[in-house]
Amino acid sequence: EAGVTQFPSHSVIEKGQTVTLRCDPISGHDNLYWYRRVMGKEIKFLLHFVKESKQDESGMPNNRFLAERTGGTYSTLKVQPAELEDSGVYFCASSQEVGLRAFFGQGTRLTVV
Amino acid sequence: GQNIDQPTEMTATEGAIVQINCTYQTSGFNGLFWYQQHAGEAPTFLSYNVLDGLEEKGRFSSFLSRSKGYSYLLLKELQMKDSASYLCAKAGVVTGGGNKLTFGTGTQLKVEL
Repeated sequence: EAGVTQFPSHSVIEKGQTVTLRCDPISGHDNLYWYRRVMGKEIKFLLHFVKESKQDESGMPNNRFLAERTGGTYSTLKVQPAELEDSGVYFCASSQEVGLRAFFGQGTRLTVV
Repeated sequence: GQNIDQPTEMTATEGAIVQINCTYQTSGFNGLFWYQQHAGEAPTFLSYNVLDGLEEKGRFSSFLSRSKGYSYLLLKELQMKDSASYLCAKAGVVTGGGNKLTFGTGTQLKVEL
């Protein structure tokens, strides 16, 4: 069974540019989460999808971040325009049911210069 | 707040036993997860406690005391490959469902010969 996959694994962009991160959850997992780890800090929740619906987006930093999950399969997280403080590792996780363990992807390391 | 506190670093000897402690705020508690993360890799699930007591799984065990807001991860017969970051994460009760995890900063365990 394929795990949670994220693309790209690394991205280096200039301040003001746009970047789109992609997450493919485990097939059949309705719950999809985005998390972020800024250097030196803990992993923090960004948002939660149930199928294609945003269940909780309380962790999204500001309106420069837009997450979508059209069709309830893969998800994208777009940052536009990127700022220096957006640098970090963005993790995606999925779970089959609410309350069950989440499986994490390897993360996308975003560096904004 | 949802502060999750765990030691930043620990060092132990191969073959020994190590206990990694984690404390958390008890409000809105819906379970306690432990994840292992090797550098550059995805966090991988180790254990989940929702009731008080000890859960044993091979060389790894996890303990929970809900009234004290306390958990620990116990690693026995340490191996060099156990050198990794160990993440304590509290699952929160979220209106409308969900399994939002609040992470500690992780405990970097170094296993030495």
